[in-house]
Amino acid sequence: ILNVEQSPQSLHVQEGDSTNFTCSFPSSNFYALHWYRWETAKSPEALFVMTLNGDEKKKGRISATLNTKEGYSYLYIKGSQPEDSATYLCASPHLAGGTSYGKLTFGQGTILTVHP
Amino acid sequence: SQTIHQWPATLVQPVGSPLSLECTVEGTSNPNLYWYRQAAGRGLQLLFYSVGIGQISSEVPQNLSASRPQDRQFILSSKKLLLSDSGFYLCAWSPPDWLPLRPAEAFFGQGTRLTVV
Repeated sequence: ILNVEQSPQSLHVQEGDSTNFTCSFPSSNFYALHWYRWETAKSPEALFVMTLNGDEKKKGRISATLNTKEGYSYLYIKGSQPEDSATYLCASPHLAGGTSYGKLTFGQGTILTVHP
Repeated sequence: SQTIHQWPATLVQPVGSPLSLECTVEGTSNPNLYWYRQAAGRGLQLLFYSVGIGQISSEVPQNLSASRPQDRQFILSSKKLLLSDSGFYLCAWSPPDWLPLRPAEAFFGQGTRLTVV
């Protein structure tokens, strides 16, 4: 069973602050790490899919890094805005019998609230 | 483009009543389909996945079942709901040729909030 953990569970920041949070996953048999943003009353939206150690991806003010050897990924938000308020989920596919069929194990999420 | 529809958006059901949640995907063929649940204070947990019509795999033992009567239709059911079935249910799909070296993302519906009373 794959354990994916996220910290902190929740975070309150002021508009304009930069912030970051962590996703930890088992480093053995690593395949990929997904980041999603889940706003209230909406579908989870994919932010990044990361596969390579040292990978860094960026989407606007949001970026993510990946360390597969030590089993962690960071998500950074620069200059947080109220519209960034959401739950940020990371997930990793787990493998059984040589296939995964895209099944994802999710962390519990980090709830970010950006105050104006 | 591909779209996923899930309904209803909210549901309040008494204990012991049946359940049927439906999910359909448009714009793709032979997708992998998933049902996830988020219980209160917990992360998203995979309940069922399907790689084809009539092919259902359950990830956790529970009071629920899933069926895939058509290629792009996925149904979550229960004969008798329990209080512990309350939660937020999400349907998702991913492309059919998912391989470890090509980790495609999953695309989610908007979810159903189920409250069992």
